[in-house]
Order: sequence, then C-alpha cells, then structure tokens
Amino acid sequence: EVQLKESGPGLVQPSQTLSLTCTVSGFSLTDYSVHWVRQPPGKGLEWMGVMWSGGSTAYNSALKSRLSISRDTSKSQVFLKMNSLQTEDTAIYYCTRDSYYFDYWGQGVMVTVSS
Amino acid sequence: DIQMTQSPASLSASLGETVTIQCQASEDIYSGLAWYQQKPGKSPQLLIYGASSLQDGVPSRFSGSGSGTQYSLKISSMQTEDEGVYFCQQGLKYPFTFGSGTKLEIK
Repeated sequence: EVQLKESGPGLVQPSQTLSLTCTVSGFSLTDYSVHWVRQPPGKGLEWMGVMWSGGSTAYNSALKSRLSISRDTSKSQVFLKMNSLQTEDTAIYYCTRDSYYFDYWGQGVMVTVSS
Repeated sequence: DIQMTQSPASLSASLGETVTIQCQASEDIYSGLAWYQQKPGKSPQLLIYGASSLQDGVPSRFSGSGSGTQYSLKISSMQTEDEGVYFCQQGLKYPFTFGSGTKLEIK
C-alpha cells in the first residue's frame, strides 16, 4: 500500500528554519518523484518543489532562495527545509507522489509561524 | 507562470443534478491538466488526469474534457459525497499551478 506521511514541528518562530520529513512506503524514491505542496488555512494550493526520482530537484521560483529539498533513499525519506519563515508561511504542508500527476498525498502537517 | 482561472468560486446543486466546473489556463497546456477533490480536513484526491482520464477508483459520474486553454469537470449526477472543494492543476510547466478552487455544496 502506498503511503506518505509528513512530520515536523507544528510551531516555528518567525525568521527561523522549518524542517519537515516525508516518509514514504509502498514505493521507491528511485522510481517515483515526490513533491511538496502547501495550503494556507482556508486557501488554495501552492506547489513548492520536487525531488525527482533521479535525485535532482526543482523549486518554485517564488520560494527558491529559501527552500531546499533532499532525500535519504535508504530510509525512504524526503526532506524539506525552508528558512526565514514569516507568518504568511503558516500552512498545511503536504508531500505527494508524482505519477505524472499527484496520485497519492500525505495527510499533511500544519505549521504555524508565530512568536 | 501559467495562471489557472477556475469558475465558479462556489456552487450548490441538488441531488442528481449535473454539475460543471470550468478551468482556464493563461496559455495552451496541451491537456496537461488534472482535477482534484478535497473534503474538509482531508488531503486532495486525484479525480482526472491528462484532462480526461479517470483515475482508478473514481466513480464514472466524474468526467473531464477540454483542450488548449479551456477545460471542464463534469459530475453527471450529484451525490451527497461529492460535496467538497475542487481544484484544477496544470502539470505542463514549472511552477505547477492550481486553480483557486470551486466549493461545491448540496442544495
């Protein structure tokens, strides 16, 4: 069974760095790419970036200067790091599998940026 | 960036009614379009990909159509479980972008 699960802190202080982990099961990170998508409360979806199955990455240019995505294939984990967080970064953060489209999603992790 | 304009923003429909949601891309996306359904407190679920292909397990009352810059999602007979927010998404170019969503409710 394909599963993705996000984990990380629920609260981050302004100007600090967010670190999230997406742990996957039921597929290999070398066969499928994994994307990060976020959703501010009550709002729409924003694509953040992708860890391609081959190991390269791509980022939303709006976030590129602050965002880094990496992986550990042996642990089936994809990592997101984003620095200089502001209140507008408060959102649910999802990881999702790429099968040309986003066919499986994690449950999401709510991240609140607040002092 | 490719802008995705979705309409209407909200919609209420009676049981059994046919519902259509529109999505317009700011440039030709060559059928590189997906539709997702999101229920409150849940993650989005893929309904349609490649503009018109039905994802496995999705009821056949859902269908997608369109080409170029204009796409639509149709629900042929509205059911209670179809309430939720629907998003379109283009998968042609970075950054992948989503429509702003259509909130569908039972009348």
